[in-house]
Amino acid sequence: DADVTQTPRNRITKTGKRIMLECSQTKGHDRMYWYRQDPGLGLRLIYYSFDVKDINKGEISDGYSVSRQAQAKFSLSLESAIPNQTALYFCATSDPRRTATDTQYFGPGTRLTVL
Amino acid sequence: DAKTTQPNSMESNEEEPVHLPCNHSTISGTDYIHWYRQLPSQGPEYVIHGLTSNVNNRMASLAIAEDRKSSTLILHRATLRDAAVYYCILRPRGYNFNKFYFGSGTKLNVKP
Repeated sequence: DADVTQTPRNRITKTGKRIMLECSQTKGHDRMYWYRQDPGLGLRLIYYSFDVKDINKGEISDGYSVSRQAQAKFSLSLESAIPNQTALYFCATSDPRRTATDTQYFGPGTRLTVL
Repeated sequence: DAKTTQPNSMESNEEEPVHLPCNHSTISGTDYIHWYRQLPSQGPEYVIHGLTSNVNNRMASLAIAEDRKSSTLILHRATLRDAAVYYCILRPRGYNFNKFYFGSGTKLNVKP
């Protein structure tokens, strides 16, 4: 089984709808992240969480919110989806206590299309 | 944040070595150099990292310039499975620092 899973893998929705993307991990890592990737571009950080009680904005948090329900679960919500939020979304985890470089482990991604 | 510069794309023949360059002229003394790669339809995966000395692991080698303003990821024998986007990333040493700035990376095409 994959260490970092994302659901759904693909989602098509309409403008104005509320959408939740979910991420679960079995790695036992404290840190979790949400990134988005647009065609031809690198990944941009949306939100990150260092533990269950810690939530921080990344470089592009506007229009998004997150919830850290447990150490293993980190959800990303789009309160009112808009077309320019169409992208590939990745969840990642890390634990600097286990790897000095704080290596990030990524999920398989969720492809979101907002019509 | 210190940024990196990589060529947009490179091409290699299968079973030949590949040298992927990265410039990071604004690197600070506490920045580690990381490389990740993203295979088609997958999330990025860790490849290698280094600080000052050259590094080797089972996936690749990392050669770091003496002034640390550039580095090169070396795949000793490229396979078709190595076709991916390769990201060179700087990350400060320190427990609480959060960011990985991925940039647009180098798309490596491997020809049979």
